[in-house]
Amino acid sequence: QVQLVQSGAEVKKPGASVKVSCKASGYTFTSYGISWVRQAPGQGLEWMGWISAYNGNTNYAQKLQGRVTMTTDTSTSTAYMELRSLRSDDTAVYYCARDRTRRGMDVWGQGTTVTVSS
Amino acid sequence: DIQLTQSPSFLSASVGDRVTITCRASQGISSYLAWYQQKPGKAPKLLIYAASTLQSGVPSRFSGSGSGTEFTLTISSLQPEDFATYYCQQLNSYLTFGPGTKVDIK
Repeated sequence: QVQLVQSGAEVKKPGASVKVSCKASGYTFTSYGISWVRQAPGQGLEWMGWISAYNGNTNYAQKLQGRVTMTTDTSTSTAYMELRSLRSDDTAVYYCARDRTRRGMDVWGQGTTVTVSS
Repeated sequence: DIQLTQSPSFLSASVGDRVTITCRASQGISSYLAWYQQKPGKAPKLLIYAASTLQSGVPSRFSGSGSGTEFTLTISSLQPEDFATYYCQQLNSYLTFGPGTKVDIK
């Protein structure tokens, strides 16, 4: 079945970096993009950015420009999201989602909790 | 960036009720709008895309309408499993989500 499986929970100190993985299965990885979405505790959804699994093109949310990098490894059908210079307000559940561009995000990973604390 | 607002922020309803949620965009986005349902501790679930197209497997009691700057999500007869938070998302440019509407049991 079509699924996205994310890496496990992370605890980081302020100023550190985190890299979350998202392994796809059950579909042709390069036929879709991957978006990353995060949700702070008790808050709404925040779109972080998108990467084309076909050619690696990216589009990042303006507020995260310079701190976030999204990559893919087509040999393992895995997408990665790295966030640098972590702050306490980066504490959130991070989701990857299969992005059908203007037809919405139809498959989601289970979420990865990232906690930033000194 | 395109901003989305949703109303109401919170809605208390009973099983069987007809429920309507509104999403407004700060500028025209044609029909590039999706709706998601999220339950506590779970990933969001895509309900509707292109403003009115029902995602495969989603019950027909869910429907969407609108274009330009004003959109609605309607649940024709609320079921126990529909109590959740609903988000709209614009798919036109630099994707953004609305703030959410929590549907609770009256």
